[in-house]
Amino acid sequence: DTGVSQDPRHKITKRGQNVTFRCDPISEHNRLYWYRQTLGQGPEFLTYFQNEAQLEKSRLLSDRFSAERPKGSFSTLEIQRTEQGDSAMYLCASSRRGGAAYRSPWGYTFGSGTRLTVV
Amino acid sequence: AQRVTQPEKLLSVFKGAPVELKCNYSYSGSPELFWYVQYSRQRLQLLLRHISRESIKGFTADLNKGETSFHLKKPFAQEEDSAMYYCALRAQKLVFGQGTRLTINP
Repeated sequence: DTGVSQDPRHKITKRGQNVTFRCDPISEHNRLYWYRQTLGQGPEFLTYFQNEAQLEKSRLLSDRFSAERPKGSFSTLEIQRTEQGDSAMYLCASSRRGGAAYRSPWGYTFGSGTRLTVV
Repeated sequence: AQRVTQPEKLLSVFKGAPVELKCNYSYSGSPELFWYVQYSRQRLQLLLRHISRESIKGFTADLNKGETSFHLKKPFAQEEDSAMYYCALRAQKLVFGQGTRLTINP
């Protein structure tokens, strides 16, 4: 296991089309996070899963966005009817969350991201 | 609510000069703070965390709860330190500041 993998690295799509991104986390990590990063900004939280349960969604995530993690392993992020404002880098990260007394000592491990361009 | 503020979008210093990247946070609970770095064309990676009180690549950061700050410091900058630096706070999730682009001039 070499880290968090994201696919594709780049995606160019026409406005109005649907796109889906995939994230494969580190295998022993039970938490998975999606972030969006636009030019000149820090990563903005979108949503996260603990195992297969989606525990939180940001208000940034409109109804056109949906994320799944059906088996508690990889996750997909789908954007329907893309708009030019959706153009951004979509980052995935994973971490390990154990019991109350345990915290991931190293924060999150990030993937390289998927750069979406909507034309 | 969690909030992280990095007041400087750009910071430029000469090689060998001291560096300080500012970070202030707002959080009602007990914060867990991190610095992440992103070198050109590389993924975001953890630089250091406040819990460990460690020095990584010559960088240190001290949590000041009274001033709600977690500034990143290095006494002598090196050219390879040029990168984007993000301060982040974790409660249920990581919340990032807007980042500071550090440029080290030769």
